[in-house]
Amino acid sequence: GAGVSQSPRYKVAKRGQDVALRCDPISGHVSLFWYQQALGQGPEFLTYFQNEAQLDKSGLPSDRFFAERPEGSVSTLKIQRTQQEDSAVYLCASSSYNEGKLFFGSGTQLSVL
Amino acid sequence: RKEVEQDPGPFNVPEGATVAFNCTYSNSASQSFFWYRQDCRKEPKLLMSVYSSGNEDGRFTAQLNRASQYISLLIRDSKLSDSATYLCVVNEYNTDKLIFGTGTRLQVFP
Repeated sequence: GAGVSQSPRYKVAKRGQDVALRCDPISGHVSLFWYQQALGQGPEFLTYFQNEAQLDKSGLPSDRFFAERPEGSVSTLKIQRTQQEDSAVYLCASSSYNEGKLFFGSGTQLSVL
Repeated sequence: RKEVEQDPGPFNVPEGATVAFNCTYSNSASQSFFWYRQDCRKEPKLLMSVYSSGNEDGRFTAQLNRASQYISLLIRDSKLSDSATYLCVVNEYNTDKLIFGTGTRLQVFP
């Protein structure tokens, strides 16, 4: 399809388990963003890339969170040693360079038990 | 203080009503402003950009007041299908990074 694709759609993890969330942006979009959205809250910025360069990772909650985009297209958000407070929807979005308008994927709902 | 603040609502209005949402932002250097709409359990989608001179898209009117650092969204002749959460979004100065408010929930009833 032509939109942003995220997988898996749902992920249940046991506390302490590592997880990897994948994002396929719209083809040709230079910028890619990760947001975390808790229930009843707005999306909270985690990190963003321009091509393969990670320009800002100030929103990552701890060093257990790591994101990469090695070839400037697909991105992976990895969370190590998951905790219950990591339970949220993780949204990926992409945009054209400097357009400032984001196209979101459907998100990955992570539940940590 | 959060960078982008909104009244969470909910705003419960009858069909046909006019409703207005406000949003304030803290960074006076912000340059780009948007309203996004998010339906329950769905991803946010761009509703409209907000321009300095104000802009209209059908029943929706957005305005920006740079001096007071607030943005507004006016919805006229509300429809049942307008029920959603409306997110105020501001860019961080000189970057592509967008900061979202917590959202204002609108419920339109028959």
